[in-house]
Amino acid sequence: AQSVTQLDSQVPVFEEAPVELRCNYSSSVSVYLFWYVQYPNQGLQLLLKYLSGSTLVESINGFEAEFNKSQTSFHLRKPSVHISDTAEYFCAVTRNSGGSNYKLTFGKGTLLTVNP
Amino acid sequence: DGGITQSPKYLFRKEGQNVTLSCEQNLNHDAMYWYRQDPGQGLRLIYYSQIVNDFQKGDIAEGYSVSREKKESFPLTVTSAQKNPTAFYLCASSPGGVPSPLHFGNGTRLTVT
Repeated sequence: AQSVTQLDSQVPVFEEAPVELRCNYSSSVSVYLFWYVQYPNQGLQLLLKYLSGSTLVESINGFEAEFNKSQTSFHLRKPSVHISDTAEYFCAVTRNSGGSNYKLTFGKGTLLTVNP
Repeated sequence: DGGITQSPKYLFRKEGQNVTLSCEQNLNHDAMYWYRQDPGQGLRLIYYSQIVNDFQKGDIAEGYSVSREKKESFPLTVTSAQKNPTAFYLCASSPGGVPSPLHFGNGTRLTVT
């Protein structure tokens, strides 16, 4: 079975500061990794994903995440945050075990609060 | 526009009553999922369906039931056997097969008193 640990439940930062949201996973097989964002009272939206290839993946709004197999991590970073980045962020993993069953396991989420 | 519609957005029920949450998608996706979200707990998988007329239990299926009679619809019934039903319920879909991202609806907040 796989599992995901998001090490910080809340991360408060000031506007224009850099931020890192940490995510570690455990799995006995290779994995696919995702970051989702949830704004208040809404569903989740995909932010970025790692399936294969380059270990550094980027989103269109300035976030990036790096897959580190040796440290089993997939931390999310942004060099300069905006007020509008305030949301809850979820890391998710699914096993690369073939077939068509790609159930996601989610972390408990990190609430990013950007203050002026 | 394609997407997932969950209705209603807010739902109130008395303890002991069954309640059905609606989820409809027009994305032509094969796979559909129901998640439960509680504060500080992340998302937990209740049921999922990869094709019509087939579904599997997720991690917390007790007290819930589903049906998948049509590709576009995946209703969730919260039964009176569910001990703690008050939560935010999210429906999602994906094309299936390759690890495609999930598309989520905007959720239904169920309050049982």
